[in-house]
Amino acid sequence: GAGVSQTPSNKVTEKGKYVELRCDPISGHTALYWYRQSLGQGPEFLIYFQGTGAADDSGLPNDRFFAVRPEGSVSTLKIQRTERGDSAVYLCASSLTGTGFYNEQFFGPGTRLTVL
Amino acid sequence: QKEVEQNSGPLSVPEGAIASLNCTYSDRVSQSFFWYRQYSGKSPELIMSIYSNGDKEDGRFTAQLNKASQYVSLLIRDSQPSDSATYLCAVWTYNNNDMRFGAGTRLTVKP
Repeated sequence: GAGVSQTPSNKVTEKGKYVELRCDPISGHTALYWYRQSLGQGPEFLIYFQGTGAADDSGLPNDRFFAVRPEGSVSTLKIQRTERGDSAVYLCASSLTGTGFYNEQFFGPGTRLTVL
Repeated sequence: QKEVEQNSGPLSVPEGAIASLNCTYSDRVSQSFFWYRQYSGKSPELIMSIYSNGDKEDGRFTAQLNKASQYVSLLIRDSQPSDSATYLCAVWTYNNNDMRFGAGTRLTVKP
């Protein structure tokens, strides 16, 4: 596709449940980023993939959060034992290389997660 | 001190005026700077990037960077109601693989 795609667009779940959020980056982009955005705030970094490996996962808030990118393209963000505080918009972005100065990142439409 | 600071606004300008959006950052080694536009309920859209001190123009948009003052701005000339959105400043430090966003400035352009 032409841009970054994310599914689902909306996810409502109950506290304690497990959720998976999917991101399909722009074709040919090797770098993939997950962010979380709460109302009135800018995106908050969660994790960065360079190819298949997580190059930086320092933004993951705790061990309930995990992400994979097994073939270097599609990525899945997994949240175990969801809590109400996890409610936010989860954004995925990709960039051509992820290195050097020219790291222009392009965002997908986001997944709005609501934990009841 | 926040790493990337922006006035939250709202900033209100009349149609046809120049809108000036400002951003300061704390990490002196940051190298690359981006402006994103975010409409309500939508995801951020990249509108400008700037890497060197000075001005960079793209249509009605001009980004200005002053690394010595750790300051970056976005000017929107001939503002249109369709420019009404939140503008996010993002700062990239490539040796840390670190992109930091400000909280955004909400701009309203009144017809």
